[in-house]
This record gives sequence, structure tokens and C-alpha cells, in this order.
Amino acid sequence: DVKVTQSSRYLVKRTGEKVFLECVQDMDHENMFWYRQDPGLGLRLIYFSYDVKMKEKGDIPEGYSVSREKKERFSLILESASTNQTSMYLCASFPLAIQNTDTQYFGPGTRLTVL
Amino acid sequence: GQQLNQSPQSMFIQEGEDVSMNCTSSSIFNTWLWYKQDPGEGPVLLIALYKAGELTSNGRLTAQFGITRKDSFLNISASIPSDVGIYFCAGYPTGTASKLTFGTGTRLQVTL
Repeated sequence: DVKVTQSSRYLVKRTGEKVFLECVQDMDHENMFWYRQDPGLGLRLIYFSYDVKMKEKGDIPEGYSVSREKKERFSLILESASTNQTSMYLCASFPLAIQNTDTQYFGPGTRLTVL
Repeated sequence: GQQLNQSPQSMFIQEGEDVSMNCTSSSIFNTWLWYKQDPGEGPVLLIALYKAGELTSNGRLTAQFGITRKDSFLNISASIPSDVGIYFCAGYPTGTASKLTFGTGTRLQVTL
């Protein structure tokens, strides 16, 4: 019954490493999002995509890039990880109109630690 | 970037009490959503609101889309221990069909 999956629940990387976070959804949704969550700051939008190969910057895109080669997959890339990118990363996918509150739209999250 | 102002930031209540939280924005929103996040999990959608003035319930939860379209409220009646978690409001600002914006969250803790 899982709808949105993320490649890892926990990840530890070193400063300067290239990091890939993968997100896959099986609901044929057009829109996919990457957020980071930090205490007291809520969810902040990094990038989103409204179609294959389309991407838009969110509120905090610096230090990140994304890739959407297939509709079901949206990848977040940290080109050179830094300690201030230690955070919980959440992927979400939504249809054009959110109607069904029974549908899980968020993945379980990836807690990334950069040493 | 825009964020929604959510209050209170945290609350401690006793089991059985009613809870109210709200979310405000400086700009008009087309859609308001309320989410709950349990520790270590992604947020789960509780209620979706689409029209100004709309009042929608989901069990013990009731949410309203403010008349001005710049705010929304969530009420939880007769709280129980499993209500513990972080509640987020979210919405689509007018003119941004895809950019879902989140509030800063309300952490709810319930004491027996």
C-alpha cells in the first residue's frame, strides 16, 4: 500500500561528497516536491517539478539540484555536501487537484547527517 | 520565500481537552491543507479545504478556510494520547498552482 518511497531512511555522508536522494511514486502524479525539515522552521521547499524534465526552484535551492527523467522518479542531488545540509529531507507527490485525504502524499523521509 | 505563520508553536494539553490552532498568511491562498506528522514519519494529510468559508470535519478534527482566504483554523475535540505530533498547515498561494507552502508547525503534546 506504499505510495511514495525514498531510497534511504538514514544516511551519513562526509563533507564534500556528492549525495543522491531518490524518490519514487506509483500514483502517476504530475507534481513532485523536495522539502527539508528543520526544528522550528517547518518544511521548506527546495525544488519541485510539475512534469518530466521540468523543474522549478523552491525557496532554498542553493546547494541542491534535481533530476526528473521519468514521471515516477524525482531525485535530489547535493553536489558537494556541507554540514549545514544535515537535515530531514521529505519527498512528496501530488496530483493537480488534491481530493482524497486517504492518499499518502509524502514519503517517510531521509535523515541525512553530513560530518 | 513565503512561509505561513502558524500558532501556537507548541502546546501541552490534558487528555480530553479541545485544541485549537491557526495559520495566517499575508497573501491569499486558493487551497488550505492540514497535515499531521508523527515522529520519524512523513506528514499525513488530514483535511483539505478549497473554498472560502468552507468548514470540513474528519472525525474529531474540524478545519475551516477563512473568509479572507488568508487564514485557516484546525480544531481537535476531546484529545487523546495518539493526537501527539506536529501539525502543519499548508496551501497554494494564488497564482502558484504547484508551489505548496508550509507553515512552521504546531507541536502538540498530550498528558494523561
